[in-house]
Amino acid sequence: DAKTTQPPSMDCAEGRAANLPCNHSTISGNEYVYWYRQIHSQGPQYIIHGLKNNETNEMASLIITEDRKSSTLILPHATLRDTAVYYCIVRSGNTPLVFGKGTRLSVIA
Amino acid sequence: GAVVSQHPSWVICKSGTSVKIECRSLDFQATTMFWYRQFPKQSLMLMATSNEGSKATYEQGVEKDKFLINHASLTLSTLTVTSAHPEDSSFYICSARTGGLNTEAFFGQGTRLTVV
Repeated sequence: DAKTTQPPSMDCAEGRAANLPCNHSTISGNEYVYWYRQIHSQGPQYIIHGLKNNETNEMASLIITEDRKSSTLILPHATLRDTAVYYCIVRSGNTPLVFGKGTRLSVIA
Repeated sequence: GAVVSQHPSWVICKSGTSVKIECRSLDFQATTMFWYRQFPKQSLMLMATSNEGSKATYEQGVEKDKFLINHASLTLSTLTVTSAHPEDSSFYICSARTGGLNTEAFFGQGTRLTVV
């Protein structure tokens, strides 16, 4: 079973920041937070992951709360191509990624 | 990021026949590969985990004799759907990662299987 809770859907205006929340209140000390997205009829795409520090790459930023019970994925300037289902997953070591239902983000022109 | 390639992208087969799907890691060696399937409007469901040179580990409810997985090299894993039936029609996706701890996994583009 997925160990995260995400809103089923969100809308975001094109050009604005998209902030996608994720709750993982039962996260263990050695579990990382991973974010993937799936554009329709494609395989999931890796976005970012982190343990406890905030992380940033060319795609997004990941903000993890100090107690690690929740996190937020930030797409700084959403475009229409960012419309996808976004999955927040907690995982440790070499265990497989277990997908929940994710958040369907719709970027609107 | 690393590239994982699946082939074919889509396939239509007759009921009762077998279909093989290939998953290749193109620019890295994948000690572990994972196979998922996804039904319409649902999330990805893990089917099995395969480690190079050893037998795959199947998730509960997945028939190992129906879904044959071979991971004969560090860059190739195959999934064969044997005696396919219409209920096996689905989107099959593979994933691969290196052996490092807490590293990201990369996904293929998926294979759409339709059994008629």
